[in-house]
Amino acid sequence: KAGVTQTPRYLIKTRGQQVTLSCSPISGHRSVSWYQQTPGQGLQFLFEYFSETQRNKGNFPGRFSGRQFSNSRSEMNVSTLELGDSALYLCASSPSLAGGPSTYNEQFFGPGTRLTVL
Amino acid sequence: AQKVTQAQTEISVVEKEDVTLDCVYETRDTTYYLFWYKQPPSGELVFLIRRNSFDEQNEISGRYSWNFQKSTSSFNFTITASQVVDSAVYFCALFNAGNMLTFGGGTRLMVKP
Repeated sequence: KAGVTQTPRYLIKTRGQQVTLSCSPISGHRSVSWYQQTPGQGLQFLFEYFSETQRNKGNFPGRFSGRQFSNSRSEMNVSTLELGDSALYLCASSPSLAGGPSTYNEQFFGPGTRLTVL
Repeated sequence: AQKVTQAQTEISVVEKEDVTLDCVYETRDTTYYLFWYKQPPSGELVFLIRRNSFDEQNEISGRYSWNFQKSTSSFNFTITASQVVDSAVYFCALFNAGNMLTFGGGTRLMVKP
């Protein structure tokens, strides 16, 4: 079974531009979560999508958005890039089977997209 | 709100030494899961172990062992006879409601030959 794939792996942008990152989950997984990793703030949860709906959101400004398609592939978009957006963006997929809010769903991480904003 | 603290930002040991990575967590939930992940220089997070809040049994897997103590809200990770290949950043994480992982700040482990 193929793992989680993220494209592109590396990206260089300039301040003010926007960027779109893509994540293809493991086949059959319906949940995709995004995390940002920076040296200063560490690993932080951005948002989670399930069945094309944003189900949970971290504490990030509205410049960060995402979406999920019917095939569970997900994209995240960052508009008006700032220098502080330079980070490794990790995507994780999980089967997210039916269950209550505390139902555990193992997350499988992709290799990440390293974004550099100049 | 939940929080995970890894007080050791960097540890350096010589190969074959034992090393323990500390993790302390805070949560108000009674049901939660704790994890350890390894992040090699390539960047991908590699799952090491999962523990649920109702299972306080310690676990050993080869050179790795984990000590979960609910009374002190700690979930420590020990590598026995460390090897150079163990050099990486290790993250402790907490999962509870919302399908969201809360990560600690990570501990960079350097194992020197």
